[in-house]
Amino acid sequence: EIVLTQSPATLSLSPGERATLSCRASQSVSSYLAWYQQKPGQAPRLLIYNASDRATGIPARFSGSGSGTDFTLTISSLEPEDFAVYYCQVRTNWPRITFGQGTRLEIK
Amino acid sequence: QVQLVQSGADVKKPGASVKVSCKASGYPFTTNYIHWVRQAPGQGLEWVGVISPGGGGTTYAHKFQDRVILTRDTSTSTVYMELTSLRSEDTAVYYCARGLDAIFLDYWGQGTLVTVSS
Repeated sequence: EIVLTQSPATLSLSPGERATLSCRASQSVSSYLAWYQQKPGQAPRLLIYNASDRATGIPARFSGSGSGTDFTLTISSLEPEDFAVYYCQVRTNWPRITFGQGTRLEIK
Repeated sequence: QVQLVQSGADVKKPGASVKVSCKASGYPFTTNYIHWVRQAPGQGLEWVGVISPGGGGTTYAHKFQDRVILTRDTSTSTVYMELTSLRSEDTAVYYCARGLDAIFLDYWGQGTLVTVSS
């Protein structure tokens, strides 16, 4: 069973700074990885899929990279609305999926 | 535009069953898988299962294999999730979400809070 480990658990930054979030898989998942953003009281929103493809309507400041077991979500310059919880998600045994435990991005 | 609209909040007693609906619109219903994900209060996201609206085939997380049933009604473009033998730990918001390339979730319902309490 594939396990996803996200780090850090909490990231404290200021608007305008660069955010780097990590997701590590316990075994290779090729590029079958997605990133989601969730704000309080809202459903998650797809940001990135196939490790690096931006979903429809997602600003260019969000980018994804990596393959195999190590992946990164980068927010180039934080906007006030970017402070939220971020989850990574992978395919396990198709079409099963699993999520990481999340990284909370908070205002410093 | 693509929309997934879920049924309203529900309160159930331990041992009962709950059935949550998810009505899809804005795209051909049979072309995309529908996944179910739940989120307990203050916790992360947990995958429950997936249904293919076209053929009706289902796959469930091992944890829920014996207690969850996903069905669909193509005449109304609606998917249903039934969870049986409810316990307090099943208290959560349940989301339906459309599959992009089957395994990524590009559109989500608004969520349905299911509370299990005696």
